[in-house]
Amino acid sequence: SAVISQKPSRDICQRGTSLTIQCQVDSQVTMMFWYRQQPGQSLTLIATANQGSEATYESGFVIDKFPISRPNLTFSTLTVSNMSPEDSSIYLCSAGQGTNEQFFGPGTRLTVL
Amino acid sequence: DAKTTQPPSMDCAEGRAANLPCNHSTISGNEYVYWYRQIHSQGPQYIIHGLKNNETNEMASLIITEDRKSSTLILPHATLRDTAVYYCIVSHAGNNRKLIWGLGTSLAVNP
Repeated sequence: SAVISQKPSRDICQRGTSLTIQCQVDSQVTMMFWYRQQPGQSLTLIATANQGSEATYESGFVIDKFPISRPNLTFSTLTVSNMSPEDSSIYLCSAGQGTNEQFFGPGTRLTVL
Repeated sequence: DAKTTQPPSMDCAEGRAANLPCNHSTISGNEYVYWYRQIHSQGPQYIIHGLKNNETNEMASLIITEDRKSSTLILPHATLRDTAVYYCIVSHAGNNRKLIWGLGTSLAVNP
């Protein structure tokens, strides 16, 4: 199994600012993903973080708003740019290998004022 | 990826088996069935997955019908700590696999 940590665990930010969320995996993994979970809702996939190349974004999510980095096989960052209150959500990182299960981090709870 | 249909909520008495159904009638031959759960305020937790054979691990059993159009997750002896939202997801195999999450089933285990 893989253990995933995220930093920060929560933050309160002002409108118009940006926040970078870090995701660290304790072992090398092929796949890393970023999700958003709004209050009372299910998970929505934002993008697949690709090692050494640009992330693959899902419909409705763009690189300018959610830039992602993945410099190696154990680490990724998601930035939420130019935040508005609508960006208040829980952001989750996950990692997996092949057909096996994905492991999830504890999430980052973001509140934008 | 195929879509899934789950009941929005279920109740179960503590110590009894919890049987959570999932319909995935449009599943294709190389799609796996995955089950995850999310306990309140935590990240999702993997439970089990399978292709066509029934599977069992220390957490649960997965029963997939012969035509693969539905499955049932069985928690043999539910405890209060099993109260969570349970998600059934079908997904292709491979390194580019991504999970598309539905609304899941909110399971309440009652004392």
